[in-house]
Amino acid sequence: EVQLVQSGAEVKKPGESLKISCKGSGYTFTNYWIGWVRQMPGKGLEWMGLIYPGDSDTRYSPSFQGQVTISADKSISTAYLQWTSLKVSDAAVYYCARPDRGNYDYWGQGTLVTVSS
Amino acid sequence: QSALTQPASVSGFPGQSITISCTGTSNDVGGYNFVSWYQQHPGKAPKLMICDVTNRPSGVSNRFSGSKSGNTASLTISGLQAEDEADYYCLSYTSYITYVFGTGTKVTVL
Repeated sequence: EVQLVQSGAEVKKPGESLKISCKGSGYTFTNYWIGWVRQMPGKGLEWMGLIYPGDSDTRYSPSFQGQVTISADKSISTAYLQWTSLKVSDAAVYYCARPDRGNYDYWGQGTLVTVSS
Repeated sequence: QSALTQPASVSGFPGQSITISCTGTSNDVGGYNFVSWYQQHPGKAPKLMICDVTNRPSGVSNRFSGSKSGNTASLTISGLQAEDEADYYCLSYTSYITYVFGTGTKVTVL
């Protein structure tokens, strides 16, 4: 059974760094892209970017380029989304999802990130 | 790279059919047959309902169907049921080798 299991909720202060994770299981992790999606409180889904763990090829939405870093450690089948300096506006639920030819068929449970002073 | 345009809300009575539009450009919806649709209930992760414009993944009700004409894709829900009340999003591949979501549509069953 394919599963994407994300790390738990985080509470951070503005300016702090953060790295959240998404562990894949039930399939060959290096053969599929992993994408990240943001959902701000009460708002819609926003596509952030994705990574191919097999060779670490990474693509970003122009809206998120330079704001976050997507990475992966194929030895432990885990993808990451990280910030070096969080802003209040980064508060959101972040989902990882696995696209199969562009169709995101498996999703993680979401990670709630709260940023408040 | 702007979000694809969807109506903010669509409503219908049980048993009726409704259609949600998703309008983009020739650089996304119009240029590729990589449009998918997602259903999201409050507090839950999105669920894939339609892939590659018209195809239903295994397990998705045949009351859901997709189509595309030019730069606009559409999701139709026939025989509307109470459980269909949710938010719906389209997603398209783009010529920038990225993806873009629609603005989202809240479906209300009256």
